[in-house]
Amino acid sequence: SQELEQSPQSLIVQEGKNLTINCTSSKTLYGLYWYKQKYGEGLIFLMMLQKGGEEKSHEKITAKLDEKKQQSSLHITASQPSHAGIYLCGADMSSRGSTLGRLYFGRGTQLTVWP
Amino acid sequence: EAQVTQNPRYLITVTGKKLTVTCSQNMNHEYMSWYRQDPGLGLRQIYYSMNVEVTDKGDVPEGYKVSRKEKRNFPLILESPSPNQTSLYFCASSFRFFQGDRGTYEQYFGPGTRLTVT
Repeated sequence: SQELEQSPQSLIVQEGKNLTINCTSSKTLYGLYWYKQKYGEGLIFLMMLQKGGEEKSHEKITAKLDEKKQQSSLHITASQPSHAGIYLCGADMSSRGSTLGRLYFGRGTQLTVWP
Repeated sequence: EAQVTQNPRYLITVTGKKLTVTCSQNMNHEYMSWYRQDPGLGLRQIYYSMNVEVTDKGDVPEGYKVSRKEKRNFPLILESPSPNQTSLYFCASSFRFFQGDRGTYEQYFGPGTRLTVT
C-alpha cells in the first residue's frame, strides 16, 4: 500500500496559470518534504513543513501542512516553463522512538507547463 | 561545495555480474539511504544507515547489500543483478535536527545512477 498519496499524477497547464498538487496520508506526518525532479535527474529540496497549519513560500511556490498534519498542498502561482518537472512529497511518519532516518515518498506529480 | 556524489552515473551490465554503486557525502551526515525509482512506483527505500556500522532494511532490500565502514561512504552492492533491478538509483544523506521535542531530517540527494541489467 502506498503510504503517501499524491494527486494528480500528471498536470498540464498553460503558462501563467495557478496550480495545486496534493499529498495525503492516513497517518500523521511528522515532517513533510517537497522535492522537485527534472526527468532522470536528482531531487532538489524545496521546502520542509513540520507544524500543523504551517505555510512556507519560496518565490512563486507555497506549501502548506494542514492542522491535522495529514495533508499537504503545494501551490504554484503564475506557472512558468521553468516549473516543469516531477514534484515529490516525502514524509517522516515514524512514531516517536521508532525507526529513524526513514522517509516515505509519494509517486510524484508530473507537471508540464506549455507557453 | 556540499554534495552527495554517486558513481557511476550510468551503467549497463549483464545478469549475474556483481556490481557496486558508490555513494559519498562531504557534509558529515550521520544518516544515509539508498532509493530506487521506477515509473508508477515512485521512490522506494532499499537500505538506510543511521551511522557507521549501523544499517537497516528499507522497503525493498532483496537483492541488495550495503556497508557503512566510514561515515562519508555508503556503497550499494548488487551481488547477482537481475533485469528487475533495472532502475534509477538515488543515494541520500541527511542530518537530524530538533524542533521542539521531535527530531526531523533534511535529506540531500545524489544525482542518480541509471542501471540497466540485460
